[in-house]
This record gives sequence, structure tokens and C-alpha cells, in this order.
Amino acid sequence: DSGVTQTPKHLITATGQRVTLRCSPRSGDLSVYWYQQSLDQGLQFLIQYYNGEERAKGNILERFSAQQFPDLHSELNLSSLELGDSALYFCASSVEAARGGYTFGSGTRLTVV
Amino acid sequence: KNQVEQSPQSLIILEGKNCTLQCNYTVSPFSNLRWYKQDTGRGPVSLTIMTFSENTKSNGRYTATLDADTKQSSLHITASQLSDSASYICVVSATPGGYQKVTFGIGTKLQVIP
Repeated sequence: DSGVTQTPKHLITATGQRVTLRCSPRSGDLSVYWYQQSLDQGLQFLIQYYNGEERAKGNILERFSAQQFPDLHSELNLSSLELGDSALYFCASSVEAARGGYTFGSGTRLTVV
Repeated sequence: KNQVEQSPQSLIILEGKNCTLQCNYTVSPFSNLRWYKQDTGRGPVSLTIMTFSENTKSNGRYTATLDADTKQSSLHITASQLSDSASYICVVSATPGGYQKVTFGIGTKLQVIP
């Protein structure tokens, strides 16, 4: 157990629907990162939050949004889902200025049918 | 543009053999380089981290090297085991203007066979 908790582990939904992925960071970590990994692809950075505020944004679609709550857990919202959104979504957490030293969760596997 | 390129894309080796994975990067200004191991369907786990002044770092049977002049790193796995089958991802951090930017390589998929 890495200390980063992601729920649900698996999610199957239809095109056009909206889903919410949840992440609880490791105790003491203020930064949360979201990554998307499509089949046999590398990790694509989506967005980072630090202590409730958006810190950096990557290749995140406008249909996707995220937030980090006062208790530091984070949610990634995916709407108007398309088949191509099927992927593993990872959350990672770190202390400030971790410079790549992330602790990853076990991911949520999203399947859009 | 900051890039991290890994080679080979995939590799199959016999159990007990050694192998070396390569990572070339153009990220600057360089802060540090990490190697992660990602088992299929799981989150990546950090193996090693190296800063500019370090050129070798070991973690058990894993040894990473860094040549900051040529912007190359390698991960050497000694006496491979079936459990080494995974993707190995090179991650380079830069600090442009004091801001942290992290770039992931696409990974090398290693398969160790009996």
C-alpha cells in the first residue's frame, strides 16, 4: 500500500456520461497530480493541485476538471465521455518541491463503451 | 521543448541475464532524474533518484548511471528475475525560473522469461 488511495478501482460507463474519480493523498502530502495512461502509452500529465489550489496544467481536455478539497483529497471529473477516454487514471501525491518524487496510487481503470 | 526518450521500447531477456535500459533527455535546467518501475496495471514506484552531481546510484540489483554532460542515463538490471518484468520509466525534473517541471519518458517494457 503506497498510502495514496484511489477509488473506484474499475469503472465502466457509456459514451456521453460523466464520472468522478477520487484520490486521497499520502498523509502529509499537499500536492496531488492526475495522470492519464492509455493502453501501451506513457503517462500523460493532466493537472496538479497544491493545498487546494491549481498549480500546473498539462494536456487536460476542457471536458475534464479537477479540484482539491480542504481535507486535501482530490476529485477528477470527466464529462461527455468518449471511447478514447478509456484509460488508466493515476493520482500521485508529493510534498512541495518533490521534483518528481511522487507516490502513485494504484489507479482507476475507466472503460467507456 | 523538454523531451525524455527511452530505448529500447521493449526488451525480452532470459531469467538470470543482465540488461541495460537507456534514457536521453533534453530537459533543462536539469534538477534530477528518477527511474520508476511500473508493474502492469499498477502505479509506478520510484527506484532511484540522481541529481546533477551524482553519476551512479544503486538500489539492490538496479544500478542507475547519469552523464549530465551528454544528458544520458541508463538503468542496469543485474541477474534478472521474473518479477523484474515491468515497464521502466525515466522521469526528468527541471526548474525553469524556479518552477518545477517534470517530464516522463514513455517507458521501456521489459519481459523476463524463464
